[in-house]
Amino acid sequence: EMQLVQSGAEVKKPGESLKISCTGSGYTFSNYWLGWVRQMPGKALEWMGTIHPGDSDKRNNPSFQGQVIMSVDKSISTAYLQWSSLKASDTAMYYCARAGGNSGGHDAFDIWGQGTMVIVSS
Amino acid sequence: EIVLTQSPGTLSLSPGERATLSCRASQSVSTSYLAWYHQKPGQAPRLLIFSTVHRAIGIPDRFSGSGSGTDFTLTISRLEPEDFAVYYCHQYGTSPPFTFGPGTKLNMK
Repeated sequence: EMQLVQSGAEVKKPGESLKISCTGSGYTFSNYWLGWVRQMPGKALEWMGTIHPGDSDKRNNPSFQGQVIMSVDKSISTAYLQWSSLKASDTAMYYCARAGGNSGGHDAFDIWGQGTMVIVSS
Repeated sequence: EIVLTQSPGTLSLSPGERATLSCRASQSVSTSYLAWYHQKPGQAPRLLIFSTVHRAIGIPDRFSGSGSGTDFTLTISRLEPEDFAVYYCHQYGTSPPFTFGPGTKLNMK
């Protein structure tokens, strides 16, 4: 079964750092772009960016650039999203998702992780 | 950045009825790069339609997509109880960012 499994919920204080993960299985992880999607409480989906596990090429949303970093370790089929200094406004559910075609990342998200809830509160 | 607008914001229908959901883009989007998802409470989104018209694996044929240019439509021919959810359109064709629409909430009447 093809799946993405994300790390568990996190509760952090403002200013703390965080790295969440997304591990793929059941398919060749290195062959497909992997995206991150934010969903703030009660709000719509927001495309944060995508990364290619094969060469770590990235496509970023300027709205998130400088606030969060995408990375990947293809040897363990795992992608990461990290913050160096969290803010209360980072409180959200974060999903990873596979861009499922072979159009150079111009593909719909066909497999989704279960989401990682991040709560930032003093 | 391409902005997607969805209408209506909320749609109240009964099982068995037909649902028509609209997605309008601020610039032309290739039909190859427009998808629809739905999301039920507490769950991750699920891909329904990709490349405007193609159903994802396991999606029943009561779901269909159409459109071109700046106007796209998702139609659910006969609503089943499990179809009541929030529906998002998504364009992934131009330079980043690849944007989502604000969603249409499909409520059971």
